[in-house]
Amino acid sequence: DAKTTQPPSMDCAEGRAANLPCNHSTISGNEYVYWYRQIHSQGPQYIIHGLKNNETNEMASLIITEDRKSSTLILPHATLRDTAVYYCIVRPFTSGTYKYIFGTGTRLKVLA
Amino acid sequence: DAMVIQNPRYQVTQFGKPVTLSCSQTLNHNVMYWYQQKSSQAPKLLFHYYDKDFNNEADTPDNFQSRRPNTSFCFLDIRSPGLGDAAMYLCATSRGGSSGRGYEQYFGPGTRLTVT
Repeated sequence: DAKTTQPPSMDCAEGRAANLPCNHSTISGNEYVYWYRQIHSQGPQYIIHGLKNNETNEMASLIITEDRKSSTLILPHATLRDTAVYYCIVRPFTSGTYKYIFGTGTRLKVLA
Repeated sequence: DAMVIQNPRYQVTQFGKPVTLSCSQTLNHNVMYWYQQKSSQAPKLLFHYYDKDFNNEADTPDNFQSRRPNTSFCFLDIRSPGLGDAAMYLCATSRGGSSGRGYEQYFGPGTRLTVT
């Protein structure tokens, strides 16, 4: 079963920051938080992942709370092309455990 | 450059007629995955391989089987497709082994299966 909880949908105005929350209150110490997105009829696309420190790349920033029970994906300047379903996944990085279980995700609609 | 390739992109099969979906990768990753995704639902993991070690999810029907003849290729066989098996089938890869940085998955574009 997925170990994350996300709001089913969100809207964001074009050009504004999109902040997508994820709750993972049962996360273990050896589990990473991953974010993927899926644009309609395409395969999911990796965005970013982190363990406990905040992370930033060319696509987004990931803010993980100090207790690691929740995180927020930030798209700093949302565009219409960011309209997609965003999935938050937790999985351990230890050898022998390679499963990624998707939760229900958040459907983000960026509005012009 | 395509890294995870799925063929065909669209597949139509008849009820009960075996069908095979294929996936290939140019990333040389140890782990390959098959997911099933039905309309408006999240991808559901069917099984995965770590090298040649096969790992089946407990709720994957026996109707679904997989083969991985080498590192680059992986196949999904549906022995007797039913109408309920119509879905998008996604192949993904990732590196294996333990790591201090974790490894992300790379997905193919998917094969949309229609059962008539």
